[in-house]
Amino acid sequence: NAGVTQTPKFQVLKTGQSMTLQCAQDMNHEYMSWYRQDPGMGLRLIHYSVGAGITDQGEVPNGYNVSRSTTEDFPLRLLSAAPSQTSVYFCASRVGYEQYFGPGTRLTVT
Amino acid sequence: SQQGEEDPQALSIQEGENATMNCSYKTSINNLQWYRQNSGRGLVHLILIRSNEREKHSGRLRVTLDTSKKSSSLLITASRAADTASYFCATDRSNFNKFYFGSGTKLNVKP
Repeated sequence: NAGVTQTPKFQVLKTGQSMTLQCAQDMNHEYMSWYRQDPGMGLRLIHYSVGAGITDQGEVPNGYNVSRSTTEDFPLRLLSAAPSQTSVYFCASRVGYEQYFGPGTRLTVT
Repeated sequence: SQQGEEDPQALSIQEGENATMNCSYKTSINNLQWYRQNSGRGLVHLILIRSNEREKHSGRLRVTLDTSKKSSSLLITASRAADTASYFCATDRSNFNKFYFGSGTKLNVKP
């Protein structure tokens, strides 16, 4: 099993650009989520999904879109990047209460 | 706002010593979990304690939960250099699908 994979590992965007962060899992988990981690802080939940076709907002959803068309994939879209979205983004999938995290995407918006 | 806050923010100990870190939270919870994050990596689940439990053990880890004080502690016994990492607590409330992470304790274990 590859577990949870994320691409790209690093990305630099200019203000106003859009992009999609990819997340995939091969563990057949229904629950997937996206977090951002800023320096010196814990993770904050952006969006989550409890199954294909079902998504909901987390703590900090503004500026981000998600969709879930398959169990395996949960992409995160930045609509119009802003410097405040500079962060490390983690995707996770879950069975029971245990979350499995991907390696992260480090995003810089200039 | 952050649901959990860890204390201390940073902790430096010698190999073989015990490490204790604390987590406080603000509202009632269903469960509390502890995660470890090695530098530049994703988080790894360590242990879960339910709101009706007071203490739980897993290997060298001991977790306590005091719901009256809204706090939890994580004890790592006989620490090793490989335990060097950041440790986060995470809680969920009435919505089992939303998890709130604290700001973490950075543990450095010196060989």
